[in-house]
Amino acid sequence: DVKVTQSSRYLVKRTGEKVFLECVQDMDHENMFWYRQDPGLGLRLIYFSYDVKMKEKGDIPEGYSVSREKKERFSLILESASTNQTSMYLCASSLWNGLGGELFFGEGSRLTVL
Amino acid sequence: DAKTTQPTSMDCAEGRAANLPCNHSTISGNEYVYWYRQIHSQGPQYIIHGLKNNETNEMASLIITEDRKSSTLILPHATLRDTAVYYCIVRAPIQGAQKLVFGQGTRLTINP
Repeated sequence: DVKVTQSSRYLVKRTGEKVFLECVQDMDHENMFWYRQDPGLGLRLIYFSYDVKMKEKGDIPEGYSVSREKKERFSLILESASTNQTSMYLCASSLWNGLGGELFFGEGSRLTVL
Repeated sequence: DAKTTQPTSMDCAEGRAANLPCNHSTISGNEYVYWYRQIHSQGPQYIIHGLKNNETNEMASLIITEDRKSSTLILPHATLRDTAVYYCIVRAPIQGAQKLVFGQGTRLTINP
C-alpha cells in the first residue's frame, strides 16, 4: 500500500516562528502536493511539485515555501508563522500515468499558531 | 475545471445502498470524474474515478450518465465506517501533476 507520512500530527507554534512540515512517500511518486483545509473553505492547494527541485504555486502560496530535494520528500515551510496559518495541512502524492492517477493523502498535520 | 454540485448532507441506513449524486453539467470531453472521501480527522481517501463508462471496484460503483452531466457514487452495503464527507471532482489529466480542486462535498451519515 502507498504510504504518505507527515512528520507531526499536532504542532503548536508562536507567531513569527519558522515552521517545517515534512512529508515522505514510499511509492516513488513523481508528484507531491501540499493542501490546507479549513472549515467552510474545503481543501486549497498551496504548492505542488512534479519532480525533484521543481515546484509550482497552487492557489494560496502566499506565506509559504516548499522544498523538494529528494523524490520521496516534500517539505512545507512557513518562514514566519502567523495566526491565520492555523489550519490542517495535508500532503499528498500521485503517480502520473496519463490516465488520471489518484492522489494518496497523509493523515494531516494540525498546526496552531498562537 | 468543471464545477460540481453535490447535496450538503445525506443519511442512509446501515446495510442499505448509499447513492450519492453529483452534477457536473459543464464537464468537458476529456475530464474524468473522481470521488474521494474524508473520514473525520483523517486525510482524504481515493475511492474511484471514471471517464464515461461505469466503473466498479472493491469500495464502490460509479455510474456516469450518457451525457456525462451527472454521476452517482454507490456504496452497495453501507456500514457505520462509511460515515464521511464525500467529494466529487472533475479534472482533465492534461498536465503532469494532478491538481484536483475539492469542493464542499456531501456529508454522509450512516445510521444504525
